[in-house]
Amino acid sequence: DAKTTQPTSMDCAEGRAANLPCNHSTISGNEYVYWYRQIHSQGPQYIIHGLKNNETNEMASLIITEDRKSSTLILPHATLRDTAVYYCIVRVAVASGSRLTFGEGTQLTVNP
Amino acid sequence: KAGVTQTPRYLIKTRGQQVTLSCSPISGHRSVSWYQQTPGQGLQFLFEYFSETQRNKGNFPGRFSGRQFSNSRSEMNVSTLELGDSALYLCASSLALSGGEKLFFGSGTQLSVL
Repeated sequence: DAKTTQPTSMDCAEGRAANLPCNHSTISGNEYVYWYRQIHSQGPQYIIHGLKNNETNEMASLIITEDRKSSTLILPHATLRDTAVYYCIVRVAVASGSRLTFGEGTQLTVNP
Repeated sequence: KAGVTQTPRYLIKTRGQQVTLSCSPISGHRSVSWYQQTPGQGLQFLFEYFSETQRNKGNFPGRFSGRQFSNSRSEMNVSTLELGDSALYLCASSLALSGGEKLFFGSGTQLSVL
C-alpha cells in the first residue's frame, strides 16, 4: 500500500470548514483513498473513501486531485465533537483482505 | 443495528499470564480483523479472519493468535504476556466486499500488563 503524508496537527474554529490535506504521491491506479478518524479512547470511525472522483456524504467531502497524488478531506462546518486524529489511508481494494496501514494521522483540534 | 462489541473493556494481567479477548461483529459481517494500538507504535494490524479462516496476518510473534467461530464472533489470545503487550486492542468488522471496504471498529479492550 502507498505511503501517505499528513500534517501532525491542525486547528480550526468551530463552525468553519476544516480542510485536512494528505499527500500520497506514490499511489497506484487501483488504490483507494480512505479517511478514518479516532476520538480519544475510542475505535477509529470510517468517514469516507474514493478512487478517482470527488465524494461527499453526510459527514464530509473528499477531494482527490486529478493526478491522484494528493487529497483533501473537508468537514464543512466543524464542531467541537470533530476534534480527533484523522487518518488518511491508501490501499488496494481486494476481496481477500481488510488490512489497513495507519500512519500517525493529523490531530485536528476544533476551538470554540 | 448494533455495532461491534468488544469484551471486556478493561483488563489487568501480570507478566507470564495469558489473556483472551472477545469480539462480536456487526450482524451479517463475515470479516473480523484485530489491531493493536500503543503510544509508541500507533495502530498496527494483527490478523484478519473470514469465514473461520485466517486470511491475513501482521508482523506479530506467535504468542498472538486468534480464531473465528461459525457465527463470525472472534477471539484473540495472547500467551505469556509481556509488559510491552499493554495496549488498546481493537476489533473491526466488515462485509468483506471488493471495490472499497469500510471497517467498523469496536471501542476496544484496554489491556494493562503489570
